[in-house]
Amino acid sequence: DVKVTQSSRYLVKRTGEKVFLECVQDMDHENMFWYRQDPGLGLRLIYFSYDVKMKEKGDIPEGYSVSREKKERFSLILESASTNQTSMYLCASSLLEGAYNEQFFGPGTRLTVL
Amino acid sequence: DAKTTQPNSMESNEEEPVHLPCNHSTISGTDYIHWYRQLPSQGPEYVIHGLTSNVNNRMASLAIAEDRKSSTLILHRATLRDAAVYYCILRDGGAQKLVFGQGTRLTINP
Repeated sequence: DVKVTQSSRYLVKRTGEKVFLECVQDMDHENMFWYRQDPGLGLRLIYFSYDVKMKEKGDIPEGYSVSREKKERFSLILESASTNQTSMYLCASSLLEGAYNEQFFGPGTRLTVL
Repeated sequence: DAKTTQPNSMESNEEEPVHLPCNHSTISGTDYIHWYRQLPSQGPEYVIHGLTSNVNNRMASLAIAEDRKSSTLILHRATLRDAAVYYCILRDGGAQKLVFGQGTRLTINP
């Protein structure tokens, strides 16, 4: 069974803390994605990566960075967490080739920044 | 990215068919129509996709209008487990990312 796992389901951090959200996929996918989901705003793409050490900005990259040192792992980093980064964070992966390759999503991490 | 329009919510009864509409009047020739759904407390999951012809799979059917300006996701026999938010997404043939709209919240009554 294909799987995308995220390090935590729930996380509570304080303003100014550095936060790491980890995502691992076991499907040998080239593409990996980080989204955030907020009520009324839907899912918005933060960053994606199509290869190890490669990254592309999504629609809302401000305040975030990413790291992809290994093909199966994609990390989202909040350098200095702020309350407006309280959200549900979703990781996804897909194959690189083919326009219709489905994205597989993890269960999400609900982050609260106090 | 071309835009899609879906009703905010729909309601149906268990074991009845459900037709979820999507309008995409600005679709381009290279846009694929994708459907994903998000069950409560889970990440989205792929349902089906198509380009021009109607498509069937084990989860659903996708009916695409001849001018491609609209499509309909069909759940042939809804179950309680089908209660979810359904997203209709246009994806350019060369693009890697998905752009999610607000989707349709489907409620299934027992």
